[in-house]
Amino acid sequence: QVHLQESGPGLVKPSETLSLTCTVSGGSLSSYYWSWIRQPAGKGLEWIGRIYYSGTTKYNPSLKSRVTMSVDTSKSQFSLKLTSVTAADTAVYYCAREGTSQAIHHWGQGTLVTVSS
Amino acid sequence: DIQMTQSPSSLSASVGDRVTITCRASQGIGDDLGWYQHKPGKAPKRLIYAASRLQSGVPSRFSGSGSGTEFTLTISSLQAEDFATYYCLQHNSDPPTFGQGTKVEVK
Repeated sequence: QVHLQESGPGLVKPSETLSLTCTVSGGSLSSYYWSWIRQPAGKGLEWIGRIYYSGTTKYNPSLKSRVTMSVDTSKSQFSLKLTSVTAADTAVYYCAREGTSQAIHHWGQGTLVTVSS
Repeated sequence: DIQMTQSPSSLSASVGDRVTITCRASQGIGDDLGWYQHKPGKAPKRLIYAASRLQSGVPSRFSGSGSGTEFTLTISSLQAEDFATYYCLQHNSDPPTFGQGTKVEVK
């Protein structure tokens, strides 16, 4: 069974860059799309974007100007960078694997990132 | 973006109750919809894919129906472990979008 685990700083200062990594175990990155999703406290879930194991990306237009995703198949990891963060970026961030037709299947348990000085 | 309107936002129910949750899409999405169960601090779990297909290992008391714009998740007989928040997710067109969630609480 594939397992995903998010990691990264839990506190980021305003205007700085949020960086998170998702480590995948129990399966290969190959042939799948990998997504990032977030949920601010008390609000709904928002899809941030996806990356294919080959490196092809697609981002949510609402965040596209600030998002970069990358993949490292040798480490079974993929990563998220979100620049120029504000308090509005405070959220629980999830990584996930997509399956057939880009349907999100497996999720990590999420990591809370707080933007505060 | 496709808007997913999920209702109700919360409900109170007892063990053994039949529970129904609805998602309505702002435009037709075929059967490109999944239902997820989320408990605090845990990874969300997919229950239903392709609108009506039961994920392997998920109890048969969960079922999904619908296509196009109207979708339903039904729990035929609520169990203690089913108290959680449930979300629908459309993946017909990017960006994928979620319903606002339904919190199922103990009555």
